[in-house]
Amino acid sequence: NAGVTQTPKFQVLKTGQSMTLQCAQDMNHEYMSWYRQDPGMGLRLIHYSVGAGITDQGEVPNGYNVSRSTTEDFPLRLLSAAPSQTSVYFCASSLTYGQDYGYTFGSGTRLTVV
Amino acid sequence: QQQVKQSPQSLIVQKGGISIINCAYENTAFDYFPWYQQFPGKGPALLIAIRPDVSEKKEGRFTISFNKSAKQFSLHIMDSQPGDSATYFCAASGYGGSQGNLIFGKGTKLSVKP
Repeated sequence: NAGVTQTPKFQVLKTGQSMTLQCAQDMNHEYMSWYRQDPGMGLRLIHYSVGAGITDQGEVPNGYNVSRSTTEDFPLRLLSAAPSQTSVYFCASSLTYGQDYGYTFGSGTRLTVV
Repeated sequence: QQQVKQSPQSLIVQKGGISIINCAYENTAFDYFPWYQQFPGKGPALLIAIRPDVSEKKEGRFTISFNKSAKQFSLHIMDSQPGDSATYFCAASGYGGSQGNLIFGKGTKLSVKP
Protein backbone atom coordinates (compact mmCIF):
# COMPACT_ATOMS: atom_id res chain seq x y z
CA ASN A 1 0.00 0.00 0.00
CA ALA A 2 1.22 3.49 -0.85
CA GLY A 3 -0.72 5.14 2.04
CA VAL A 4 -1.41 8.83 1.45
CA THR A 5 0.19 10.31 -1.66
CA GLN A 6 0.50 14.06 -2.13
CA THR A 7 1.58 15.84 -5.28
CA PRO A 8 3.44 18.00 -6.01
CA LYS A 9 6.08 18.03 -3.26
CA PHE A 10 7.12 21.61 -4.01
CA GLN A 11 5.39 24.44 -5.82
CA VAL A 12 6.04 28.14 -6.40
CA LEU A 13 3.09 30.28 -7.42
CA LYS A 14 2.69 33.91 -8.30
CA THR A 15 0.10 35.94 -6.43
CA GLY A 16 -3.29 35.49 -8.05
CA GLN A 17 -2.55 32.15 -9.70
CA SER A 18 -4.68 29.12 -8.98
CA MET A 19 -3.62 25.54 -8.48
CA THR A 20 -4.76 22.19 -7.13
CA LEU A 21 -2.91 20.15 -4.55
CA GLN A 22 -3.57 16.47 -5.08
CA CYS A 23 -4.15 13.89 -2.36
CA ALA A 24 -4.90 10.22 -2.85
CA GLN A 25 -5.16 7.31 -0.43
CA ASP A 26 -5.41 3.60 -1.13
CA MET A 27 -6.55 2.40 2.30
CA ASN A 28 -10.31 2.78 1.72
CA HIS A 29 -10.44 5.43 4.46
CA GLU A 30 -13.71 7.30 4.85
CA TYR A 31 -12.21 10.40 6.47
CA MET A 32 -9.79 12.75 4.75
CA SER A 33 -8.58 16.21 5.69
CA TRP A 34 -6.21 19.01 4.79
CA TYR A 35 -4.01 20.79 7.31
CA ARG A 36 -1.54 23.58 6.88
CA GLN A 37 1.62 23.82 8.97
CA ASP A 38 3.24 27.15 9.67
CA PRO A 39 6.20 27.82 12.00
CA GLY A 40 5.05 28.13 15.59
CA MET A 41 1.41 27.55 14.63
CA GLY A 42 1.17 23.78 14.67
CA LEU A 43 -1.23 22.08 12.29
CA ARG A 44 -4.45 23.91 11.44
CA LEU A 45 -7.40 22.25 9.78
CA ILE A 46 -8.48 23.71 6.42
CA HIS A 47 -11.23 21.37 5.18
CA TYR A 48 -12.30 17.83 5.87
CA SER A 49 -14.49 15.11 4.43
CA VAL A 50 -16.25 12.27 6.26
CA GLY A 51 -17.02 10.39 3.04
CA ALA A 52 -17.46 10.71 -0.70
CA GLY A 53 -19.66 13.68 -1.56
CA ILE A 54 -19.42 15.21 1.93
CA THR A 55 -17.09 18.07 2.82
CA ASP A 56 -16.99 20.69 5.55
CA GLN A 57 -14.89 23.64 6.66
CA GLY A 58 -12.20 23.56 9.29
CA GLU A 59 -10.50 26.34 11.22
CA VAL A 60 -8.90 28.19 8.27
CA PRO A 61 -10.98 27.55 5.12
CA ASN A 62 -10.83 30.96 3.44
CA GLY A 63 -9.19 30.92 0.00
CA TYR A 64 -9.47 27.15 -0.38
CA ASN A 65 -11.99 24.81 -2.00
CA VAL A 66 -12.32 21.05 -1.79
CA SER A 67 -14.43 18.30 -3.31
CA ARG A 68 -14.66 14.56 -2.68
CA SER A 69 -16.04 12.75 -5.71
CA THR A 70 -14.38 9.43 -4.84
CA THR A 71 -13.30 7.75 -1.61
CA GLU A 72 -9.67 7.80 -2.77
CA ASP A 73 -9.14 11.43 -3.80
CA PHE A 74 -9.44 14.72 -1.93
CA PRO A 75 -7.94 17.63 -3.91
CA LEU A 76 -7.39 21.07 -2.39
CA ARG A 77 -7.85 24.06 -4.70
CA LEU A 78 -6.31 27.46 -4.19
CA LEU A 79 -8.56 29.88 -6.03
CA SER A 80 -6.32 32.96 -6.15
CA ALA A 81 -3.03 32.42 -4.35
CA ALA A 82 -1.86 34.96 -1.79
CA PRO A 83 1.49 35.23 0.04
CA SER A 84 -0.36 34.35 3.28
CA GLN A 85 -0.96 30.90 1.80
CA THR A 86 2.75 30.15 1.78
CA SER A 87 2.89 27.06 3.96
CA VAL A 88 3.41 23.32 4.09
CA TYR A 89 0.19 21.47 3.35
CA PHE A 90 -0.56 18.02 4.69
CA CYS A 91 -3.31 15.66 3.66
CA ALA A 92 -4.42 13.10 6.24
CA SER A 93 -6.79 10.16 6.22
CA SER A 94 -8.38 7.91 8.80
CA LEU A 95 -10.62 4.87 8.75
CA THR A 96 -13.63 6.79 10.04
CA TYR A 97 -14.45 10.19 11.47
CA GLY A 98 -14.51 10.90 15.17
CA GLN A 99 -13.25 7.53 16.32
CA ASP A 100 -10.00 6.50 17.93
CA TYR A 101 -8.17 5.74 14.73
CA GLY A 102 -4.91 7.46 14.06
CA TYR A 103 -4.42 9.70 11.09
CA THR A 104 -2.11 8.71 8.26
CA PHE A 105 -0.42 11.79 6.86
CA GLY A 106 1.07 12.35 3.45
CA SER A 107 4.60 13.70 3.09
CA GLY A 108 3.40 17.23 2.42
CA THR A 109 3.44 19.91 -0.27
CA ARG A 110 5.64 22.93 0.34
CA LEU A 111 3.98 25.91 -1.33
CA THR A 112 5.55 29.32 -1.81
CA VAL A 113 3.48 32.23 -3.11
CA VAL A 114 5.51 35.17 -4.38
CA GLN B 1 -12.19 26.42 18.02
CA GLN B 2 -11.03 24.98 21.30
CA GLN B 3 -7.32 25.12 21.91
CA VAL B 4 -4.77 22.55 22.88
CA LYS B 5 -1.86 24.29 24.58
CA GLN B 6 1.55 22.65 24.36
CA SER B 7 4.80 23.41 26.16
CA PRO B 8 7.71 23.85 25.93
CA GLN B 9 8.19 25.14 22.40
CA SER B 10 11.66 23.60 22.30
CA LEU B 11 13.56 21.15 24.47
CA ILE B 12 17.18 20.05 24.65
CA VAL B 13 17.96 16.82 26.49
CA GLN B 14 21.13 14.84 26.93
CA LYS B 15 21.27 11.29 25.61
CA GLY B 16 19.85 8.94 28.21
CA GLY B 17 17.79 11.64 29.88
CA ILE B 18 14.03 11.99 30.21
CA SER B 19 12.13 14.27 27.83
CA ILE B 20 8.83 15.65 29.09
CA ILE B 21 6.31 17.54 26.97
CA ASN B 22 3.09 18.89 28.42
CA CYS B 23 -0.32 19.69 26.96
CA ALA B 24 -3.50 21.18 28.35
CA TYR B 25 -6.96 21.28 26.83
CA GLU B 26 -10.16 23.17 27.50
CA ASN B 27 -12.97 21.17 25.95
CA THR B 28 -14.25 18.52 28.37
CA ALA B 29 -15.87 16.72 25.42
CA PHE B 30 -12.44 15.67 24.14
CA ASP B 31 -11.91 11.97 24.72
CA TYR B 32 -9.03 10.95 22.48
CA PHE B 33 -5.51 12.27 23.01
CA PRO B 34 -2.78 11.19 20.57
CA TRP B 35 0.82 12.27 20.19
CA TYR B 36 2.45 12.62 16.78
CA GLN B 37 6.13 12.61 15.88
CA GLN B 38 7.43 14.53 12.88
CA PHE B 39 10.89 14.35 11.34
CA PRO B 40 12.11 17.14 9.03
CA GLY B 41 10.61 16.90 5.56
CA LYS B 42 8.11 14.23 6.60
CA GLY B 43 4.49 14.15 7.61
CA PRO B 44 3.52 13.59 11.25
CA ALA B 45 3.20 9.97 12.34
CA LEU B 46 1.11 8.60 15.20
CA LEU B 47 3.33 7.75 18.16
CA ILE B 48 1.01 6.85 21.02
CA ALA B 49 -2.54 7.70 22.10
CA ILE B 50 -4.67 7.55 25.24
CA ARG B 51 -8.32 7.78 26.23
CA PRO B 52 -9.40 9.39 29.52
CA ASP B 53 -10.51 6.13 31.14
CA VAL B 54 -6.85 5.38 31.96
CA SER B 55 -4.26 7.59 33.66
CA GLU B 56 -1.19 6.22 31.97
CA LYS B 57 -0.21 4.33 28.83
CA LYS B 58 3.24 3.03 28.05
CA GLU B 59 4.70 1.82 24.78
CA GLY B 60 8.38 1.06 24.95
CA ARG B 61 10.23 4.21 26.03
CA PHE B 62 7.18 6.41 25.43
CA THR B 63 4.59 7.05 28.16
CA ILE B 64 1.48 9.24 28.20
CA SER B 65 0.32 10.48 31.59
CA PHE B 66 -3.24 11.79 31.74
CA ASN B 67 -4.85 13.94 34.43
CA LYS B 68 -8.56 14.28 33.65
CA SER B 69 -9.40 16.63 36.52
CA ALA B 70 -6.63 19.04 35.54
CA LYS B 71 -7.34 18.59 31.82
CA GLN B 72 -3.68 17.93 31.19
CA PHE B 73 -1.65 15.19 29.56
CA SER B 74 2.03 14.72 28.98
CA LEU B 75 4.49 12.68 26.95
CA HIS B 76 7.51 11.20 28.68
CA ILE B 77 10.40 9.81 26.63
CA MET B 78 12.65 7.67 28.78
CA ASP B 79 16.32 7.07 27.91
CA SER B 80 16.11 9.70 25.16
CA GLN B 81 18.21 8.98 22.08
CA PRO B 82 19.53 11.24 19.29
CA GLY B 83 17.15 9.41 16.93
CA ASP B 84 14.26 10.82 19.00
CA SER B 85 15.17 14.33 17.83
CA ALA B 86 12.01 15.50 16.08
CA THR B 87 9.00 17.74 16.51
CA TYR B 88 6.25 16.34 18.72
CA PHE B 89 2.62 17.37 18.55
CA CYS B 90 -0.11 16.62 21.04
CA ALA B 91 -3.69 16.56 19.79
CA ALA B 92 -7.23 16.02 20.98
CA SER B 93 -10.61 15.18 19.52
CA GLY B 94 -14.11 14.18 20.54
CA TYR B 95 -17.10 12.45 18.99
CA GLY B 96 -19.62 13.99 16.68
CA GLY B 97 -20.14 17.35 15.00
CA SER B 98 -16.95 19.22 14.29
CA GLN B 99 -15.24 17.77 17.36
CA GLY B 100 -14.25 14.59 15.52
CA ASN B 101 -11.35 16.39 13.88
CA LEU B 102 -7.98 16.37 15.61
CA ILE B 103 -6.94 19.72 17.07
CA PHE B 104 -3.18 19.98 17.38
CA GLY B 105 -0.90 21.79 19.77
CA LYS B 106 1.75 24.06 18.32
CA GLY B 107 4.51 21.50 18.63
CA THR B 108 7.71 20.92 20.60
CA LYS B 109 11.05 20.63 18.86
CA LEU B 110 13.12 18.08 20.75
CA SER B 111 16.88 17.87 20.35
CA VAL B 112 18.70 15.01 22.04
CA LYS B 113 22.41 15.71 22.38
CA PRO B 114 24.87 12.77 22.22
